[in-house]
Order: sequence, then structure tokens, then C-alpha cells
Amino acid sequence: KAGVTQTPRYLIKTRGQQVTLSCSPISGHRSVSWYQQTPGQGLQFLFEYFSETQRNKGNFPGRFSGRQFSNSRSEMNVSTLELGDSALYLCASSLVGQRSGYTFGSGTRLTVV
Amino acid sequence: AQTVTQSQPEMSVQEAETVTLSCTYDTSENNYYLFWYKQPPSRQMILVIRQEAYKQQNATENRFSVNFQKAAKSFSLKISDSQLGDTAMYFCAFMAWRDNDMRFGAGTRLTVKP
Repeated sequence: KAGVTQTPRYLIKTRGQQVTLSCSPISGHRSVSWYQQTPGQGLQFLFEYFSETQRNKGNFPGRFSGRQFSNSRSEMNVSTLELGDSALYLCASSLVGQRSGYTFGSGTRLTVV
Repeated sequence: AQTVTQSQPEMSVQEAETVTLSCTYDTSENNYYLFWYKQPPSRQMILVIRQEAYKQQNATENRFSVNFQKAAKSFSLKISDSQLGDTAMYFCAFMAWRDNDMRFGAGTRLTVKP
């Protein structure tokens, strides 16, 4: 079956702009999580969605938001981009209640200039 | 708060040899899960192996096995018969049973040399 699909793969934005990243989970997976990966901070949890509801949120400013649709696809949005938002954004999906570990997508590389 | 520590930023091993990557964690939880993920240059995080804290038996997946020491809060990964394709960043991760987010270590960059 298809894996976790993230689009776009690469993105270049200017400071102050906003950006929307998309994630399509594995069919049947209803939980979607987002992580930010940077060389300095490593992998940091952004938020997790299940059944269109945000269940958990990491320690990020309000400029970072997300949502999940009824088909479990998820989007994350970053407003008023800053240079420090340049990172690899990873999406992961899992079966709810199954702690088998997440399946990750290949990520979106965001560069803010 | 849970923390995960990987004390080896970089390691290298000769092809066909065995290498062990270290991971320690700190938690007050009793029920949790531990994972090792591999991230090759393609960027995709790939689950290598998973361990449930309530299971005493160490998990094994083909050439990959773990040494889980719950009392010491240690979770090392052993890769046997290393292959060139094992070259990647390896991340240790922790997830409490009641949580929905994973905590990752800083990673160990493993290079397998021919």
C-alpha cells in the first residue's frame, strides 16, 4: 500500500510569507503527527491530530498551526515566516491505539530566505 | 519530562562487522515504548526496531537487535553483519504509553566502510 505522502518536497519562501504543507497518511491511519527537524534542535514534535482534532501540541509559537480533514489528510501552516523556520518538516501516521511506531513521509524541505 | 540521549554523534564500522549504538533515556513513566529509526540521505525515517517496556525479552529484527536494560534506562542497538546500505543517521526514540508524541535523541551518524 502507498506510504505517507508529503507535498511539496522542496519549498523556498521569503521572510514574512506564509506556507502550507500537506500530508496524506497511509490508508486506514487516522493519527497524523508533524515534526520539525533542524541540525541544531534535532527532531521536535509540533502537533498530533486524530479525527480532525488536535490531541497534542509541542512547544511552538502560535504561528504554527495545523488541521486534519475527514479523510485523515493533514495540513500544517506557518504564518509570518522567519529565517529560523527553515527546516525539514516530517509528517508521520499511525493506527490509533497501536504503538507500533509511526510511519514517516520523506518530508518537506522548507527554506526561508 | 522525558529525555533521550545518544552520546555518540558519529560512528563507523567495516562492512560485515558488528556495531552497537548507545541510547539512554530518562522518564518517570513505567509503561512506554522505545524505537530505533534510520534516516538515510533520502530523508525518510524508517522504523528499524521497537521495544515495549513491559517485555523483558529483547526485540530482534533480522540483523538488528536491542539490549534493553529497563533499570538502567538503556536501549542500545546492535547491527550485525553491517552492510553499506546501513549507512544513515540512527535515532533513538521514546514514547510514553499515554502520550501521542515521540521524543527523539540527537542521532548517531553511522558510516559503513567497504
